[in-house]
Amino acid sequence: AQRVTQPEKLLSVFKGAPVELKCNYSYSGSPELFWYVQYSRQRLQLLLRHISRESIKGFTADLNKGETSFHLKKPFAQEEDSAMYYCAPLGGANNLFFGTGTRLTVIP
Amino acid sequence: EPEVTQTPSHQVTQMGQEVILRCVPISNHLYFYWYRQILGQKVEFLVSFYNNEISEKSEIFDDQFSVERPDGSNFTLKIRSTKLEDSAMYFCASSEGQGGDQPQHFGDGTRLSIL
Repeated sequence: AQRVTQPEKLLSVFKGAPVELKCNYSYSGSPELFWYVQYSRQRLQLLLRHISRESIKGFTADLNKGETSFHLKKPFAQEEDSAMYYCAPLGGANNLFFGTGTRLTVIP
Repeated sequence: EPEVTQTPSHQVTQMGQEVILRCVPISNHLYFYWYRQILGQKVEFLVSFYNNEISEKSEIFDDQFSVERPDGSNFTLKIRSTKLEDSAMYFCASSEGQGGDQPQHFGDGTRLSIL
């Protein structure tokens, strides 16, 4: 079964500082992973998918199969990045397994 | 940009009553999902639906739950006899296809409060 661990419930960084939100997963098979973000009073939105290796809003995430990690990184945090971030592997039935989430606060 | 819409935004129901949560998926999407999030807990998968039948369901999705696509646009979640522990945020999602290159798009959610 898919499992995902986001070890930090809360993370605070200063504006302009680098940020890394950790995600570790366990799975059977080839992993397909997503990062979803939920800004205050907004819906869950797709931020990144590992399959496209894209950079969105300055965020990147690299799948490390050796460490079974999919950490989300941004070199310079902005105030508007304050949100709840969820790592979510895709299960075999196309269902998302959400982590417990990390609430990121960027301090001005 | 097309969005998944959910109604109502907040539903308050007496324990034991039936409740129907409504969702309108994005129009060209073929796969539909319900998730829920109990306050302070993580988002949990309930059920997926494709081609007018359930594809997969979790342990949470017991006989009290049912889903339906009554017409070409709506996708509903019914809870037959609500319990206090059904109080949660319920999210509907849809996707065009399956797999890592077909992300799920979420609605704003319906907050269900059971009294």
